[in-house]
Amino acid sequence: DTGVSQDPRHKITKRGQNVTFRCDPISEHNRLYWYRQTLGQGPEFLTYFQNEAQLEKSRLLSDRFSAERPKGSFSTLEIQRTEQGDSAMYLCASSYGTDYTFGSGTRLTVV
Amino acid sequence: AQKVTQAQTEISVVEKEDVTLDCVYETRDTTYYLFWYKQPPSGELVFLIRRNSFDEQNEISGRYSWNFQKSTSSFNFTITASQVVDSAVYFCALTLDNAGNMLTFGGGTRLMVKP
Repeated sequence: DTGVSQDPRHKITKRGQNVTFRCDPISEHNRLYWYRQTLGQGPEFLTYFQNEAQLEKSRLLSDRFSAERPKGSFSTLEIQRTEQGDSAMYLCASSYGTDYTFGSGTRLTVV
Repeated sequence: AQKVTQAQTEISVVEKEDVTLDCVYETRDTTYYLFWYKQPPSGELVFLIRRNSFDEQNEISGRYSWNFQKSTSSFNFTITASQVVDSAVYFCALTLDNAGNMLTFGGGTRLMVKP
């Protein structure tokens, strides 16, 4: 297993466009998390899944943000109608218990 | 609600100096885990240590050491004989045992080690 993979590494999009990011977790891990990190700040929790169930989504920043994890494998995070304030690093992590592994993140720039 | 505070936003030292990064946390739960992560310029979060709330023993790993004190809700990180490769942003984080294990991060401390 090569760890947590995120795709793409970088995304530049025009304001108003929709974007989707993908995360492939470590296969043995049952939990998958999405975090957002803005410049100079610590990662901020957005949502998480246990297997295919999304157990916490109240921290998603607005109704423009949604996440899925079909069949409990990879996950996608979609941002609709992007705004300049959405520019950030989006980090995915997977865990088994408190053994977390983070991906390298997707850096989103909204122009 | 949980909170993690890293009061030092930026620290600059000269190589071979010792440096301590502070972390103060808040939680009402008695069972929790504390973490330190390193984030180099590449952006990936690199795990350094995990501590549970029932284990207050200090830990040393090479040039790294951690001081966990429940009485002051602190989990400080010391780098001995710092090196240029230690330059990075360091994050302290907290998770509860029963909260879906989501991590609450501090704001991070940027460490710059100059040659």
